[in-house]
Amino acid sequence: KQEVTQIPAALSVPEGENLVLNCSFTDSAIYNLQWFRQDPGKGLTSLLLIQSSQREQTSGRLNASLDKSSGRSTLYIAASQPGDSATYLCAVESTSGTYKYIFGTGTRLKVLA
Amino acid sequence: DAGITQSPRHKVTETGTPVTLRCHQTENHRYMYWYRQDPGHGLRLIHYSYGVKDTDKGEVSDGYSVSRSKTEDFLLTLESATSSQTSVYFCAISGGYSGQREQYFGPGTRLTVT
Repeated sequence: KQEVTQIPAALSVPEGENLVLNCSFTDSAIYNLQWFRQDPGKGLTSLLLIQSSQREQTSGRLNASLDKSSGRSTLYIAASQPGDSATYLCAVESTSGTYKYIFGTGTRLKVLA
Repeated sequence: DAGITQSPRHKVTETGTPVTLRCHQTENHRYMYWYRQDPGHGLRLIHYSYGVKDTDKGEVSDGYSVSRSKTEDFLLTLESATSSQTSVYFCAISGGYSGQREQYFGPGTRLTVT
């Protein structure tokens, strides 16, 4: 059974710092992996989706990488800002063609001004 | 934002009463999902739909049923609500043009069962 882990559960950094969020999964046979952001009391906002054939995706200050063989994805945030404070979740689509996702429990990020 | 709405946004109900949550999309996506989000558990899939009248169970489907009679609407029903079903419920969609797999989420429904 696929399990998705995000460590640490919470992280505080000073403004301007570059940071990396981690996502680990137990079954490397994934179809794709998606990163989301969730603000308190809100729904999830899609940030990046990496297909299994890709190594990374970039959007603005965000860069997500995928290493299926080691069961890891990282989300790199450059020059962090207080507005980046949120919970970041990753989700994997585990079996080809099912369109079903397994979510990690998220990393709660606080960027201090 | 993808055109996904959920209703109601907040509901308080008593144990044993039936409850129906509605998800409505204007994006013509094939797949629709219901998740619940609880502290310490993250998001867990309740049911999902891969087409009109086509649904399947997720990992926490006991006590829930769903229906999808048209592409744009996906209903989640708690036949007899219990306190353990107090949660935030999210609807999501995927499978738009060219079968794209990115998931988009609605704003959520906060349900309290007293």
